[in-house]
Amino acid sequence: DIVLTHSPDSLAVSLGERATLNCKSSQSLLYSATKKNHLAWYQQKPGQPPKLLIYWASTRASGVPDRFSGSGSVTDFTLTISSLQAEDVAVYYCHQYYTSPWTFGQGTKVEIK
Amino acid sequence: QLQLQESGPGLVKPAETLSLTCTVPGGSMTSSSYYWGWIRQAPGKGLEWIGSIYYSGSAYYSPSLKSRVTISIDTSKNQFSLKLRSVTAADTAVYFCARGLRQGYQLLWLRDWGQGTLVTVSS
Repeated sequence: DIVLTHSPDSLAVSLGERATLNCKSSQSLLYSATKKNHLAWYQQKPGQPPKLLIYWASTRASGVPDRFSGSGSVTDFTLTISSLQAEDVAVYYCHQYYTSPWTFGQGTKVEIK
Repeated sequence: QLQLQESGPGLVKPAETLSLTCTVPGGSMTSSSYYWGWIRQAPGKGLEWIGSIYYSGSAYYSPSLKSRVTISIDTSKNQFSLKLRSVTAADTAVYFCARGLRQGYQLLWLRDWGQGTLVTVSS
């Protein structure tokens, strides 16, 4: 199975500051035929289902604010929140859809400092 | 955004079978652009993929659960279902159903999720 490892496990950032979340894969997620990375990011707030933020490692889902951006390739990926807002407090998960079994990282919890 | 809805018992006894249904509004279940999946989240823990199914009935399961899981689909009722046999306390979790995007033979990200339903395994 592909293992996804988040770092850090938790992150406290001041309002308006940048938050950088990392996700490292135990195997390449880059599909050679399409040159696309099969990685998504989700945001989960307490008591709610996950919400899709990013797919193909860097494409924002519809309706997602542009302060959220994804980057990285192959095995190392980053989710950046450029200016943290109060409503961004949540756990963020990366998810690989490169191969079965689909797996998720353990998540990074983002809080306000 | 599609609003999927999970339903089923919230309490299951150990060694019995957990059965959940996901109802999908509208007529997208027969589209080749989507697949349907179940994911669970134990209390305070991360997300675990259980399995996925196409409208044709072809299903894929997590190897760790494969021996106990069956996912089925009934497009005439706009529903797909999860059965997990021989449950233990370790199966206590919030169970989510979700819709994913499909391109050709590739199953991609999970775009739409149900609210989730808590299933507790206890006598």
